[in-house]
Amino acid sequence: KAGVTQTPRYLIKTRGQQVTLSCSPISGHRSVSWYQQTPGQGLQFLFEYFSETQRNKGNFPGRFSGRQFSNSRSEMNVSTLELGDSALYLCASSLVAVNNSPLHFGNGTRLTVT
Amino acid sequence: QKEVEQDPGPLSVPEGAIVSLNCTYSNSAFQYFMWYRQYSRKGPELLMYTYSSGNKEDGRFTAQVDKSSKYISLFIRDSQPSDSATYLCAMSARSGGGADGLTFGKGTHLIIQP
Repeated sequence: KAGVTQTPRYLIKTRGQQVTLSCSPISGHRSVSWYQQTPGQGLQFLFEYFSETQRNKGNFPGRFSGRQFSNSRSEMNVSTLELGDSALYLCASSLVAVNNSPLHFGNGTRLTVT
Repeated sequence: QKEVEQDPGPLSVPEGAIVSLNCTYSNSAFQYFMWYRQYSRKGPELLMYTYSSGNKEDGRFTAQVDKSSKYISLFIRDSQPSDSATYLCAMSARSGGGADGLTFGKGTHLIIQP
């Protein structure tokens, strides 16, 4: 079974631009979560989608947004990029968003903002 | 005080040694506890998943949870150079991480010397 797939693997953007990252979950997984990983803050929860609805959101500004499609694939968008947005963005999926359903991560998209 | 504390290391041990990795936490609501392993340029890979207190063993890995002390551990027996990676503890209150997001430690960098 294929794992979580994220595209692209690497991105370089300029301050002020916007970016869209894509995630395909493991087949059959309907919950998709996004995390930001930086050396200073570690892994931080961005948001989670289940059945095309955002169910929870972490403590990030409104420039960070996402959506989920009917096939469970998800995208996240960052507008008006700042230097501090440089990070590894990780997508994770789980079978259902309830008990005993751990997250499985993709290999991430490395975003560099210059 | 951060919600989850984890010594960043690096922790360097000889091949074959028993490795002990630990995290402490402050939120008594946490019930689900996980250990992830992350290699360079890869996403976190789920190693162990436990609910509430107790021990769980899987091959060379043993996870322990002591909720009364708010302390979790991961033991690696017969450590191998291929175990060299960053080990992240993670926890959540309501599920395996889908709905309410996981709270991560910053990770311990482990080096197994051949």
